[in-house]
Amino acid sequence: GQNIDQPTEMTATEGAIVQINCTYQTSGFNGLFWYQQHAGEAPTFLSYNVLDGLEEKGRFSSFLSRSKGYSYLLLKELQMKDSASYLCAVTETSYDKVIFGPGTSLSVIP
Amino acid sequence: GAGVSQSPSNKVTEKGKDVELRCDPISGHTALYWYRQSLGQGLEFLIYFQGNSAPDKSGLPSDRFSAERTGGSVSTLTIQRTQQEDSAVYLCASSPKRSGRVDTHTQYFGPGTRLTVL
Repeated sequence: GQNIDQPTEMTATEGAIVQINCTYQTSGFNGLFWYQQHAGEAPTFLSYNVLDGLEEKGRFSSFLSRSKGYSYLLLKELQMKDSASYLCAVTETSYDKVIFGPGTSLSVIP
Repeated sequence: GAGVSQSPSNKVTEKGKDVELRCDPISGHTALYWYRQSLGQGLEFLIYFQGNSAPDKSGLPSDRFSAERTGGSVSTLTIQRTQQEDSAVYLCASSPKRSGRVDTHTQYFGPGTRLTVL
């Protein structure tokens, strides 16, 4: 089976940096995705990682360690509009589908 | 180009009635997913279609739920004899899903159908 864990809630200050962690246990890992979901809206794609290391896209970066079953999403220069849920998702070779974690609700405060 | 569309956007029904939710994926996308999301909760996987393969129905919560995908494109999720606990937002997503390309697993979500069972 598969298990994906994320912190339920986080709060950070505007302009700061925040790191959202995701740990996973899967039978056949293929890749890991991060999605952003604003309240009342559908999730939108942020990034994906296949190999170990850091992928940077503007203010957002995502890190993966396959051996540790661990990823994080790093958000820099936080803005109020970054308040949203952040979903970690894993693709598995055995199931050939995408499984989502429970999501982390991020609140950015002034 | 056009994104994933879903209809209706809102559906209010009485307990015991059947409902049909529709999803139009992005043209050419071979993979189609249905998820359910209750207020403040994560995405609950329901069913997954990939090309002409048999669908993965492992997430369907009961035999009242069924889905089909016609011609490899449009999909319909049917809930029979609706119950109040079925109230949620039902999200559909599609992806290009090409062999050997993990990036093509990226999912594009529709706006969802908000189902309310009275």
